[in-house]
Amino acid sequence: GESVGLHLPTLSVQEGDNSIINCAYSNSASDYFIWYKQESGKGPQFIIDIRSNMDKRQGQRVTVLLNKTVKHLSLQIAATQPGDSAVYFCAENPPNSGGYQKVTFGTGTKLQVIP
Amino acid sequence: KAGVTQTPRYLIKTRGQQVTLSCSPISGHRSVSWYQQTPGQGLQFLFEYFSETQRNKGNFPGRFSGRQFSNSRSEMNVSTLELGDSALYLCASSPTGATGNTIYFGEGSWLTVV
Repeated sequence: GESVGLHLPTLSVQEGDNSIINCAYSNSASDYFIWYKQESGKGPQFIIDIRSNMDKRQGQRVTVLLNKTVKHLSLQIAATQPGDSAVYFCAENPPNSGGYQKVTFGTGTKLQVIP
Repeated sequence: KAGVTQTPRYLIKTRGQQVTLSCSPISGHRSVSWYQQTPGQGLQFLFEYFSETQRNKGNFPGRFSGRQFSNSRSEMNVSTLELGDSALYLCASSPTGATGNTIYFGEGSWLTVV
């Protein structure tokens, strides 16, 4: 299928292991952060979000950690499966958006799961 | 419930032409936003509409425009196409567009400018 983003950092993980994808965000005043997964030929798919008043949030097999001190986000995927292979984007909603969506995306990380 | 639907999926245009892309949001969603995705610039926000009004706009030239209809469907237009406009154009919808609304993306429209 088609893909956009030919020069992305790649993380290769053995099936069953945990994956950690890191992201540095740009605006210290951003108050809302999201992780998306994009499979080849598809649009981004929401995974999990977190507000700036939290430092951790858990979903099904995924955990997002937010460190506002160093403007860092991470996505942890437990027991990584082949279906997790995709490009992962972190995104932030900056404060100049007037309370509405004006999402700024990071550059993306390609996760490659080795069976 | 049907997802976000974008048409056409693929199109090829010549430099200088204009193009219109369409988006039907998820039923009940009133906010529609558009993004451009390229290998060089990544995913970039174009604009967001709610109740036929543009509420936010990204850093794109005036050749990029959009509109939203009373049924929440949206179109975006790019005039005087340039080679650099070749990209995947993604439409996304959410209930109200407020921060914290989950945004759902369509599959995108692949535009190639030759």
